[in-house]
Amino acid sequence: EAQVTQNPRYLITVTGKKLTVTCSQNMNHEYMSWYRQDPGLGLRQIYYSMNVEVTDKGDVPEGYKVSRKEKRNFPLILESPSPNQTSLYFCASTLDGLTKNIQYFGAGTRLSVL
Amino acid sequence: QQQVKQSPQSLIVQKGGISIINCAYENTAFDYFPWYQQFPGKGPALLIAIRPDVSEKKEGRFTISFNKSAKQFSLHIMDSQPGDSATYFCAASSMETSGSRLTFGEGTQLTVNP
Repeated sequence: EAQVTQNPRYLITVTGKKLTVTCSQNMNHEYMSWYRQDPGLGLRQIYYSMNVEVTDKGDVPEGYKVSRKEKRNFPLILESPSPNQTSLYFCASTLDGLTKNIQYFGAGTRLSVL
Repeated sequence: QQQVKQSPQSLIVQKGGISIINCAYENTAFDYFPWYQQFPGKGPALLIAIRPDVSEKKEGRFTISFNKSAKQFSLHIMDSQPGDSATYFCAASSMETSGSRLTFGEGTQLTVNP
């Protein structure tokens, strides 16, 4: 089954404690993205990756890091989480950018930073 | 700065009625306009999409109307059903940016009463 898998689904942490949210896709997609969803603000792109070792900032990259060492994986790293990063996070993948193929989203990770 | 503005924020419709959600964009370089549907606890999923070379696209009960001169597009759900209750996001992207960089609207929570 084609899917984007995020882990964990729920996470409660404290300010300053480094965390990683993993994302994996089994569709051999080139493009992967991270979004955060906040009430009244919709989905905002954090980072995206066009292929292995190629990443770029989205609209709200501050406080986040990403890496793309393998095509299937695109982890989101919060080095020093703060309460304003409490949000619902989604990973997405797309076959490629030029053909505007469908973005497939994971089920989401709900993060609370105390 | 929200480049894609969506309204209303919430919408309540009776079963069998028509649901209408509107979006307006600023960037004239946008050339792809998808709508995503999100059920509680799930990631968004592509519902229907349109390019600016057509003014309307219909798939079943779902229709996108597009007005290029006004920089507006809307989603019409005919014969709305309780199973349509979800959050709907409009989005836009352009070939100038990386193809998978979607800019989302704020979202509309649709409730269809039985």
